[in-house]
Amino acid sequence: GAVVSQHPSRVICKSGTSVKIECRSLDFQATTMFWYRQFPKQSLMLMATSNEGSKATYEQGVEKDKFLINHASLTLSTLTVTSAHPEDSSFYICSAGYPGFVEQFFGPGTRLTVL
Amino acid sequence: AQSVTQPDIHITVSEGASLELRCNYSYGATPYLFWYVQSPGQGLQLLLKYFSGDTLVQGIKGFEAEFKRSQSSFNLRKPSVHWSDAAEYFCAVDWGGSQGNLIFGKGTKLSVKP
Repeated sequence: GAVVSQHPSRVICKSGTSVKIECRSLDFQATTMFWYRQFPKQSLMLMATSNEGSKATYEQGVEKDKFLINHASLTLSTLTVTSAHPEDSSFYICSAGYPGFVEQFFGPGTRLTVL
Repeated sequence: AQSVTQPDIHITVSEGASLELRCNYSYGATPYLFWYVQSPGQGLQLLLKYFSGDTLVQGIKGFEAEFKRSQSSFNLRKPSVHWSDAAEYFCAVDWGGSQGNLIFGKGTKLSVKP
């Protein structure tokens, strides 16, 4: 149980375009989803926390207009990187959780490359 | 600020040798402790976790970790390393048990010599 999927696993886009990444909890209802970013050879940094039906909470330094997060249902959260630039190239990982449970369940990640 | 420290950036061990990866965290409320493993280009796999109870916890793939409150440590161990264990290992800590407070260490890359 507690499986989280991400789509796509890899995406290459041109600078200036927008890219949407989906995060789904496959076998449970995730009231909370998290988006992390991981640069090469570095650790995971939390970008934002999203709760179903409400606005996402962004970490300091993360541009909310650039990284749009939508958590419209209990099984789906999306991260849209708007007007992507090469410096947005990174590995994006989502995780999901539910009330009363400390552990987060991580997706497999999405490799974004902006040319 | 709360922090998680993994002092070793890169460790190389011979196959069959024992392994210990260190993790220390800054003092805070009751920590919830995790070790994850990440293969290149892959997501995170949970190796083990500690919430309460016995301070020596067993995980998957033959790993174990010991919580030492007095040392603010949660070191990961394996008695005999296999070549397939080569990966990046992350220690993570959640203070207070509320989601969204998961802080990761910078990771330790494990290389295994044949």
